[in-house]
Amino acid sequence: KNEVEQSPQNLTAQEGEFITINCSYSVGISALHWLQQHPGGGIVSLFMLSSGKKKHGRLIATINIQEKHSSLHITASHPRDSAVYICAAINSGGSNYKLTFGKGTLLTVNP
Amino acid sequence: NAGVMQNPRHLVRRRGQEARLRCSPVKGHSHVYWYRQLPEEGLKFMVYLQKENIIDESGMPKERFSAEFPKEGPSILRIQQVVRGDSAAYFCASSPSGTLTDTQYFGPGTRLTVL
Repeated sequence: KNEVEQSPQNLTAQEGEFITINCSYSVGISALHWLQQHPGGGIVSLFMLSSGKKKHGRLIATINIQEKHSSLHITASHPRDSAVYICAAINSGGSNYKLTFGKGTLLTVNP
Repeated sequence: NAGVMQNPRHLVRRRGQEARLRCSPVKGHSHVYWYRQLPEEGLKFMVYLQKENIIDESGMPKERFSAEFPKEGPSILRIQQVVRGDSAAYFCASSPSGTLTDTQYFGPGTRLTVL
């Protein structure tokens, strides 16, 4: 069992819909990243958070350390949001640079 | 505004050949991380380097793989005697320091295909 689990694996939405991608982890962590990977392209770091909530444009990330759960929300989704979204955890008590990745959620937003 | 640069973007090798993957970090960043993404799998940590030092290579196969980050020039991930199972996307990331609060900036990746 992967230490970092994401759901759903695949998500298809219509333009304008509100999107939620979930990430749960089984180990204690000190922080969590949300990353975006476009097909054939590189990886962009969207957020790093260790508590609470962060917002950037139409993207919102939340984390509940006690429940070992984080969510990424996209409001008013757009076809250009189509990408793989990856959460990555930094284990607490260990090396604070080493990321453990989920397998990613493939989001497709149709016009 | 140069981010992390990797080259080549695509690399094709035959079994038994050597693959050299290069990573130039963001200017001023002295910490480099290499990750591998196998087909249908998530990213996995391979190695963490600072200038001229390997800090953590716990994710790197013990044989055939090596990494360096010299004082001058890019970081190099070297795979000797490649096998088909080495086919993957290799991503490099950099950060200004190795602390928790740093964001890691990722490069575009090198896609290695072993024939």
